[in-house]
Amino acid sequence: DSGVTQTPKHLITATGQRVTLRCSPRSGDLSVYWYQQSLDQGLQFLIQYYNGEERAKGNILERFSAQQFPDLHSELNLSSLELGDSALYFCASAVRGSGANVLTFGAGSRLTVL
Amino acid sequence: AQTVTQSQPEMSVQEAETVTLSCTYDTSENNYYLFWYKQPPSRQMILVIRQEAYKQQNATENRFSVNFQKAAKSFSLKISDSQLGDTAMYFCAFMPTPNNDMRFGAGTRLTVKP
Repeated sequence: DSGVTQTPKHLITATGQRVTLRCSPRSGDLSVYWYQQSLDQGLQFLIQYYNGEERAKGNILERFSAQQFPDLHSELNLSSLELGDSALYFCASAVRGSGANVLTFGAGSRLTVL
Repeated sequence: AQTVTQSQPEMSVQEAETVTLSCTYDTSENNYYLFWYKQPPSRQMILVIRQEAYKQQNATENRFSVNFQKAAKSFSLKISDSQLGDTAMYFCAFMPTPNNDMRFGAGTRLTVKP
């Protein structure tokens, strides 16, 4: 157990729907990152939050949004889902917002869009 | 923009032998960190080793070591005495400072054969 908790582990939904993925960072970590891993591909950086504020943004679609709450958990909202959004979504947490940061990853949320 | 390239999609090695995985990156930053992460069939992302760009000495963690060539922007991973449990996808990752948005290569699938 890495200490980073992601829910749900698996999610199956239909095109056009909206889902919310949740991440609780490791105790003491202030930074949360979201990544998307499509089948047999690398991890694509989506977004980073530090202590409730957006710190960095990657190739995140406009249909996707995220936030980090005062208790430091984060949610990734995916709307108007398409078949191509099927992927493993990872959350990772880290102590800092910058500098020597080691990311600790959760087990991922596997999203299947039918 | 920073890019990370892993030119070997797949590699295999005999148990107890040594294998080297290649990684190159492109950046204009002077301060950054480099990582190797391992993703076994469970899909969990596990940190293997980390290197600070300002350190000339190559990082070592037990059977895992890196060859960091800053001028060439090269960061290879050497696995000695390969074990069956080393079978996994290996991702090279680059993290600039202070932005901290970690970017991953496409991965190398390593198979250790008995």
